[in-house]
Amino acid sequence: TQLLKQSPQFLSIQEGENLTVYCNSSSVFSSLQWYRQEPGEGPVLLVTVVTGGEVKKLKRLTFQFGDARKDSSLHITAAQPGDTGLYLCAGKLGSNDYKLSFGAGTTVTVRA
Amino acid sequence: GAGVSQSPSNKVTEKGKDVELRCDPISGHTALYWYRQRLGQGLEFLIYFQGNSAPDKSGLPSDRFSAERTGESVSTLTIQRTQQEDSAVYLCASISGLPWEETQYFGPGTRLLVL
Repeated sequence: TQLLKQSPQFLSIQEGENLTVYCNSSSVFSSLQWYRQEPGEGPVLLVTVVTGGEVKKLKRLTFQFGDARKDSSLHITAAQPGDTGLYLCAGKLGSNDYKLSFGAGTTVTVRA
Repeated sequence: GAGVSQSPSNKVTEKGKDVELRCDPISGHTALYWYRQRLGQGLEFLIYFQGNSAPDKSGLPSDRFSAERTGESVSTLTIQRTQQEDSAVYLCASISGLPWEETQYFGPGTRLLVL
């Protein structure tokens, strides 16, 4: 049973459009991470959020951690083909945990 | 410095054969994870090594799976008597082990296909 559910599973958009992907759970997480994975590669960490209500911006990417620390979203503004990839969220239940629970991911395709 | 490397990058084997997958973590990283990624699914935790502590093997799906790590260096994941459901990408990640460090650095994975 996956603790983190990501939606949508697939997303295909035109270059220049905006997109949002979601990561939801009924469990409270001490921290949540977002990774991007490109074909044939391992996931690469984009951001870690630790405070409920926290918003972090990384260029055109905006990450939000829900107030209750049960959900998160990733918003990409003016998407580019280089944003294509599998976006994974992963969370730690306890601050001292070493295990991450991963969602199944959202596959994003940005068409030129 | 070099990142995490894994070998082989691809492995095709016949059902019932044993396979050994290798992970070379970032030098100096004390902690190492193995994950399995099936198509359309998230990463599934398999095993965790931290320094000289006993590994956390709670994610290994059956006794056909085993892993070793020599000190803080190379790790090998062995799957005995492979089954078709073992087909997946096997990812290794290392982390520095420092209390404030939360970044896992992943290798490119080994794509295993069991025929």
